[in-house]
Amino acid sequence: RKEVEQDPGPFNVPEGATVAFNCTYSNSASQSFFWYRQDCRKEPKLLMSVYSSGNEDGRFTAQLNRASQYISLLIRDSKLSDSATYLCVVNPSNTGKLIFGQGTTLQVKP
Amino acid sequence: NAGVTQTPKFRILKIGQSMTLQCAQDMNHNYMYWYRQDPGMGLKLIYYSVGAGITDKGEVPNGYNVSRSTTEDFPLRLELAAPSQTSVYFCASSYSAGAREQFFGPGTRLTVL
Repeated sequence: RKEVEQDPGPFNVPEGATVAFNCTYSNSASQSFFWYRQDCRKEPKLLMSVYSSGNEDGRFTAQLNRASQYISLLIRDSKLSDSATYLCVVNPSNTGKLIFGQGTTLQVKP
Repeated sequence: NAGVTQTPKFRILKIGQSMTLQCAQDMNHNYMYWYRQDPGMGLKLIYYSVGAGITDKGEVPNGYNVSRSTTEDFPLRLELAAPSQTSVYFCASSYSAGAREQFFGPGTRLTVL
């Protein structure tokens, strides 16, 4: 089983749609969780951290379910500029040795 | 601040050649990392460093070496390049191991033929 698993997609959605990505992780001792965004042929950049209480940043909402070892990202009112690959990332034991999922590709169409 | 810089941007190597990928950061971060990303895949950690003079292996260290003589620089050495090392290499840095964010360089695209 992969340490961090994501559905690679692609998810093709129209502008204005709501889309959700899921991710599961295998190490129950994992401490920190993130969503990174990666544009085509670019480096990953932090989108948001994920907290047990859930957190929101504008149109983006992240949730963590420690019991199910499950992380989610919800994007509301999708924009063309949201087209990218979204990487689910775990920092086990806060070592800095990040473990990345393979990414979920989102394509927002006009 | 330039952040994390990497050179070269692109490189084609022949099997058996060697090269050094350069990485530098100007944020005074103690922690630095090298990752590789194969097509359609997530990033995998090759080596990391917690400060000048201290390095350790990540998940996929075979075929690579690193050194960290200064806080700013963290070069990655490929010895005897193989086609399996064709990948995009990202260098990253962070203030601490538990830092909220790692900052990535723009990457080096390496092809081994």
